[in-house]
Amino acid sequence: GQSLEQPSEVTAVEGAIVQINCTYQTSGFYGLSWYQQHDGGAPTFLSYNALDGLEETGRFSSFLSRSDSYGYLLLQELQMKDSASYFCAVRDRYGGATNKLIFGTGTLLAVQP
Amino acid sequence: NAGVTQTPKFRVLKTGQSMTLLCAQDMNHEYMYWYRQDPGMGLRLIHYSVGEGTTAKGEVPDGYNVSRLKKQNFLLGLESAAPSQTSVYFCASSSPGTQNIQYFGAGTRLSVL
Repeated sequence: GQSLEQPSEVTAVEGAIVQINCTYQTSGFYGLSWYQQHDGGAPTFLSYNALDGLEETGRFSSFLSRSDSYGYLLLQELQMKDSASYFCAVRDRYGGATNKLIFGTGTLLAVQP
Repeated sequence: NAGVTQTPKFRVLKTGQSMTLLCAQDMNHEYMYWYRQDPGMGLRLIHYSVGEGTTAKGEVPDGYNVSRLKKQNFLLGLESAAPSQTSVYFCASSSPGTQNIQYFGAGTRLSVL
């Protein structure tokens, strides 16, 4: 089957660094993505890893290890506005096609002053 | 540039009623998707389309139908609403070359009484 696991909640203080982990089990693998969703809002794309290693986009970085079926999202210099849910998603072969994303259940990040 | 627009934003239905959710995108994307989001369950794919006139089932298609008569529009229908279909529905779109990046609408909050 297909499954993604990530922690349900993470709490950190403003200015700190936080890491949100994601492990996946899928029949195929075509990349790991991360999305951010503020309460009541639409998910928005943050980053994508197709190959092993670290991708950096400003304060956010994402890492992938395909051999370990594992990735993480790293948020640095946390700000209050980073309080949101973060979803990892795998582009997988499902029903013979590779056009779909399988989402994890999300990690709720609470940034405290 | 509106991106992905969903109509309506809120709706309350009685069990057995029918309704159609409309999704429109102005980015000329080939791929469109309908998800539902329930507390603690992340985003689950209902149906998707890889082009005008084509649709396919996702992870949780039962009780829903879709149509893609025009490239820019993707309709989600509930023929006979059930309380289990109370959820937040998101539409998304993407391009063939960047399938890991999906653009989401603001969502439709549906309650079935």
